[in-house]
Amino acid sequence: DIQMTQSPSSLSASVGGRVTLTCRASQTISKSLNWYQQKPGKAPKLLIYGASNLATGVPSRFTGSGSGTHFTLTITSLQPEDFATYYCQQSFVFPPSFGQGTKLEIK
Amino acid sequence: QVTLKESGPALVKPTQTLTLTCSFSGFSLTTDGMCLSWIRQPPGKALEWLARIDWAGDKYYSTSLGTRLTISRDTSKNQVVLTMTNLDPVDTATYFCAREETRGYFDSWGQGILVTVSS
Repeated sequence: DIQMTQSPSSLSASVGGRVTLTCRASQTISKSLNWYQQKPGKAPKLLIYGASNLATGVPSRFTGSGSGTHFTLTITSLQPEDFATYYCQQSFVFPPSFGQGTKLEIK
Repeated sequence: QVTLKESGPALVKPTQTLTLTCSFSGFSLTTDGMCLSWIRQPPGKALEWLARIDWAGDKYYSTSLGTRLTISRDTSKNQVVLTMTNLDPVDTATYFCAREETRGYFDSWGQGILVTVSS
């Protein structure tokens, strides 16, 4: 199975700020990388698919990039509703696998 | 509008079998490329993919849990059922069903159901 590693595991940022979250795959996955946002007690929400494609209704302050084994999710102009846990997931090979998550907290 | 909802018991005893149902609407599981997956999340931990059934009725399972899982569908009722045998307290988790798009991402999720395994 492909292992997905996210860093950092948590970080603090201020409203209005900018953060970059990282996801690495244990082997190349081309651009088959998806990002989800999860708030406490809620189901994950798809943000980015195919490494850089914004899901329907997702604000443009979310940007995904990368290919191969290294991927990033950048959030600019942080809003209060952006503080959540973010997961990456590879869909290149079976079985699909998730990272352990990055928790974004308000500073 | 796509909706999914999980149902099943909230409490299961160790060694028992868990049966969860995902009822969905807004799409057809027989449409080419459409899949439905089960994913779980232990309290405070990461997401773990469990099983998938696709538009052709083919079934796929987690490599670590595969022997304990069975996924099935009832297309007339728009339902997918997951059974997991020989439950253990470590199986305590919120179980989600999710629509899986052709390219392998999960674009719609149910609200999840918390299942606690305890005697």
